[in-house]
Amino acid sequence: GENVEQHPSTLSVQEGDSAVIKCTYSDSASNYFPWYKQELGKGPQLIIDIRSNVGEKKDQRIAVTLNKTAKHFSLHITETQPEDSAVYFCAASLEGIASKLTFGTGTRLQVTL
Amino acid sequence: DGGITQSPKYLFRKEGQNVTLSCEQNLNHDAMYWYRQDPGQGLRLIYYSQIVNDFQKGDIAEGYSVSREKKESFPLTVTSAQKNPTAFYLCASSPEAPGLAGVEQYFGPGTRLTVT
Repeated sequence: GENVEQHPSTLSVQEGDSAVIKCTYSDSASNYFPWYKQELGKGPQLIIDIRSNVGEKKDQRIAVTLNKTAKHFSLHITETQPEDSAVYFCAASLEGIASKLTFGTGTRLQVTL
Repeated sequence: DGGITQSPKYLFRKEGQNVTLSCEQNLNHDAMYWYRQDPGQGLRLIYYSQIVNDFQKGDIAEGYSVSREKKESFPLTVTSAQKNPTAFYLCASSPEAPGLAGVEQYFGPGTRLTVT
């Protein structure tokens, strides 16, 4: 089955700096890669996703890049703000009727003032 | 106000008791999922259902059971056979657009189960 590794497990940045979280996946058939943000005591919420026919996608301060050859994808957050502090999860899924996501282990991002 | 409801937010049970966690969605989504989240780990899939009266085991189904009698409801029972039931349980749903390579899953707020 699919295996997703995520690094780093914790990340501390100063407000205004950039943050980068990296994930690798094992199954070359995977073709959907979402990123979820989870605030304390809440369920995860999708913040951005990318499909394998696209190399990069941006949404304001957030961007995701995908390297299919190397089987890795990354989340980039620019101009970080305190409200960006949360746990971020990457995931990968295989094409099919059921969207079975395999999640990474999460990155706890702390944005300090 | 559309979304996914999980109740209760906190649940306490004695060891050896079965317990059922509620999940309801009014998003008219076909697919629903149950995940387990432990500290320092990612979400692990317990069961999922693509359609009413049908469900499949996920990666860690042992000690759990589900039913899908209605489109909007997907309750999870944690049985006494589950060796480490204390965890944060998350329910999710997705529209399951056929042929689309991956669709967004919408998560509920979760239920924290503590078994002593």
